[in-house]
Amino acid sequence: AQSVAQPEDQVNVAEGNPLTVKCTYSVSGNPYLFWYVQYPNRGLQFLLKYITGDNLVKGSYGFEAEFNKSQTSFHLKKPSALVSDSALYFCAAFRMDSSYKLIFGSGTRLLVRP
Amino acid sequence: KAGVTQTPRYLIKTRGQQVTLSCSPISGHRSVSWYQQTPGQGLQFLFEYFSETQRNKGNFPGRFSGRQFSNSRSEMNVSTLELGDSALYLCASSGEGTVGGNTIYFGEGSWLTVV
Repeated sequence: AQSVAQPEDQVNVAEGNPLTVKCTYSVSGNPYLFWYVQYPNRGLQFLLKYITGDNLVKGSYGFEAEFNKSQTSFHLKKPSALVSDSALYFCAAFRMDSSYKLIFGSGTRLLVRP
Repeated sequence: KAGVTQTPRYLIKTRGQQVTLSCSPISGHRSVSWYQQTPGQGLQFLFEYFSETQRNKGNFPGRFSGRQFSNSRSEMNVSTLELGDSALYLCASSGEGTVGGNTIYFGEGSWLTVV
């Protein structure tokens, strides 16, 4: 079965410190990979995506993600966390064949303490 | 450029009733998909439409249905509501086939509470 795993339910980090939110995928082919952020009572906000090319992808609000094909991982990173980054983060994979759907991880809650 | 617009944002229905949710995609986007988000099941795919054709359907009962109109706007309908249908329903659109069209954008969602 195709799946996306986010092994950490919650990540805690101090403001100003670097953060990493982990994601691994088990999806056949060469899926597109996405990161979304969800604030309370809101929809999903697009952060960044990997389609092909450079393994380091830069996105919105200073976030970046590193794609590693051999480890089938797509970890989200930020060099310096802000309290306002506290939210729920979702990793997702999309296959451009006949499925036309995003396969989501279970989400990781990021808590940045002042 | 306006984002994905979903209406209504919040609604409360009684068991056994039906509900229709609406989604207007980003202008020029022809792919619209729907997802259900619940605390227990996370984000689950409902269905996807492209140019009025359903290309894929998730593992939901037949009470869940959808359609897409010629202007790419989409609706989803849930009949005979059950308490377990209480969820955030998210609509997403993408400009598949267009330059840079492979980003999938989501709306703010429709919060459905079934009592």
